[in-house]
Amino acid sequence: SQTIHQWPATLVQPVGSPLSLECTVEGTSNPNLYWYRQAAGRGLQLLFYSVGIGQISSEVPQNLSASRPQDRQFILSSKKLLLSDSGFYLCAWSVNSGTTFGTETQYFGPGTRLLVL
Amino acid sequence: ILNVEQSPQSLHVQEGDSTNFTCSFPSSNFYALHWYRWETAKSPEALFVMTLNGDEKKKGRISATLNTKEGYSYLYIKGSQPEDSATYLCAPFSGGYNKLIFGAGTRLAVHP
Repeated sequence: SQTIHQWPATLVQPVGSPLSLECTVEGTSNPNLYWYRQAAGRGLQLLFYSVGIGQISSEVPQNLSASRPQDRQFILSSKKLLLSDSGFYLCAWSVNSGTTFGTETQYFGPGTRLLVL
Repeated sequence: ILNVEQSPQSLHVQEGDSTNFTCSFPSSNFYALHWYRWETAKSPEALFVMTLNGDEKKKGRISATLNTKEGYSYLYIKGSQPEDSATYLCAPFSGGYNKLIFGAGTRLAVHP
């Protein structure tokens, strides 16, 4: 069966410090991978998605970046955190199973709560 | 950006009550509508995916309907139980954006 891991679970970082959040998926090959953020009182916002190694599409952030060094590894990074980066970060995966476009289920990890002070 | 609205924002009901909430979304470029349940300290879990106007899906005491022409979906819970307490998220997949756009969710609390 497939599992998804994220770490750390909780992180408190000072403004201006770097960030590295890691996500790994087991039990599937060539997944689509996603990074979402939930800020307080808001819906899940897609930050990045990847359809393969080294292929990253950026949706929103200016000071965040993502990398996919291996098929089932997805990393979210920042060189200098801002206060506005605080939130709950979720990694998710899906596979293209030949179903109707847009119907692929995304499976979420346990998340990382980030507090930037 | 695609505007997805969920109402109410939060809901408190007594055990045994039936309840429902709404997801509204633009009907243009619609491909699919996803519902997720997100329990505290757990990961969001997929409930339903619906694509066709008039679709109706059911999972135990939870069911959902879809109206793609007017752009809304209802989620119903019959005889709510405390274990139904969670945030329920809807997310349409729009061809214009090629991604899921999540609403802010409806937070349901079921009191014994």
